[in-house]
Amino acid sequence: EVQVLESGGGLVQPGGSLRLSCAASGFTFSTYGMSWVRQAAGKGLEWVSTISGSGDTTYYADSVEGRFTISRDNSKKTLYLQMNSLRAEDTAIYYCAKRAFGYYYMDVWGKGTTVTVSS
Amino acid sequence: DVQMTQSPSTLSASVGDRVTITCRASQSISIWLAWYQQKPGKAPKLLIYKASSLESGVPSRFSGSGSGTEFTLTISSLQPDDFATYYCQQYNNYSGTFGRGTEVEIK
Repeated sequence: EVQVLESGGGLVQPGGSLRLSCAASGFTFSTYGMSWVRQAAGKGLEWVSTISGSGDTTYYADSVEGRFTISRDNSKKTLYLQMNSLRAEDTAIYYCAKRAFGYYYMDVWGKGTTVTVSS
Repeated sequence: DVQMTQSPSTLSASVGDRVTITCRASQSISIWLAWYQQKPGKAPKLLIYKASSLESGVPSRFSGSGSGTEFTLTISSLQPDDFATYYCQQYNNYSGTFGRGTEVEIK
């Protein structure tokens, strides 16, 4: 079964850092691009970042550019999101999602991990 | 950036109703549009991609249409399991902008 499972969420103070992980299984991880999408409480979905299968191409939303870094370890079948200089407005559920091959829509989603930025 | 406008934001309907949700793009995105269903406390689930292609395992009562800037998601006969929030997403470029969502609630 194709699955992705996020971890690493938690409570962090404004200005702090957190690293999210996403473990993949059931598919050839290195073949597929991956994305992070977040959702603040009661709000809609917001694309955060995308990385190519090889890891050599990355994209970021303007709201996180320069503060967040997406990366992957294909040998460990794991996706990461390093989040620095966190702000209250980064508080959200963060979903890891597998991209469909060759496209930018997401066909498999994890259950999400919650990030709370508060003092 | 491509902006996606979904309407309505809330829709009240009864079991058995035909339901239509509209998504408009601020510029042409050809057929690069996906629809997702999200239930409370759950992750989004892919329903439709390439504007009208049904994802494997999704019931045939769901259908999508449109191209360019105007798209629709139709549920031919609303079932109890379909009460949820639906999002469109453009994927003409990497940013994959989402619409704000349409909540389908019980009338």
